[in-house]
Amino acid sequence: SAVISQKPSRDICQRGTSLTIQCQVDSQVTMMFWYRQQPGQSLTLIATANQGSEATYESGFVIDKFPISRPNLTFSTLTVSNMSPEDSSIYLCSVEEWAGPYGYTFGSGTRLTVV
Amino acid sequence: GQQVMQIPQYQHVQEGEDFTTYCNSSTTLSNIQWYKQRPGGHPVFLIQLVKSGDVKKQTRLTLQFGEAKKNSSLHITATQTTDVGTYFCAGRIGDKIIFGKGTRLHILP
Repeated sequence: SAVISQKPSRDICQRGTSLTIQCQVDSQVTMMFWYRQQPGQSLTLIATANQGSEATYESGFVIDKFPISRPNLTFSTLTVSNMSPEDSSIYLCSVEEWAGPYGYTFGSGTRLTVV
Repeated sequence: GQQVMQIPQYQHVQEGEDFTTYCNSSTTLSNIQWYKQRPGGHPVFLIQLVKSGDVKKQTRLTLQFGEAKKNSSLHITATQTTDVGTYFCAGRIGDKIIFGKGTRLHILP
């Protein structure tokens, strides 16, 4: 399985500021996925990041608020812009395993608190 | 939109008792995956079921995929304190994977 390094693991930010979350994968992957998980809730897909093209955003998420970069096949960043307390959540990056044991491998997550 | 419903939301069991969580979809699923998330941790992939009527067993875990590929269950026999966490199903519909809301398992000593 892929190994994903995600950072920061947590941060407390002032409203109106931005935070960039980084994910580094130990192997080349075509797509990387960014999820949000609000406390005690399920995982909601924010966007899919393909190398060399713009990210594809899910309904309710926009590029201006969550710009994503994907400069190469092993790295991606998600920025949470102009933060408000409603953005307080856990943000996770993920890759899909195309060889056994399949499924998705997740980074360790970034726990964001906006004050 | 398309949803994968998961019940129950919470389950408290005595250590040693069995535990089951269920997932249902109104749409036929290409496959279903199960994940475990420990408190404070991230989701970790457990297993994937692909075939209609699939049953897979891993030590104390038994997972089933319905004949119509619209429902699935995860069953833990004789729970242990290490089983604490939230269990998520995730169904694949087309090119999308949709997570259920999860079942949070509490183990009472």
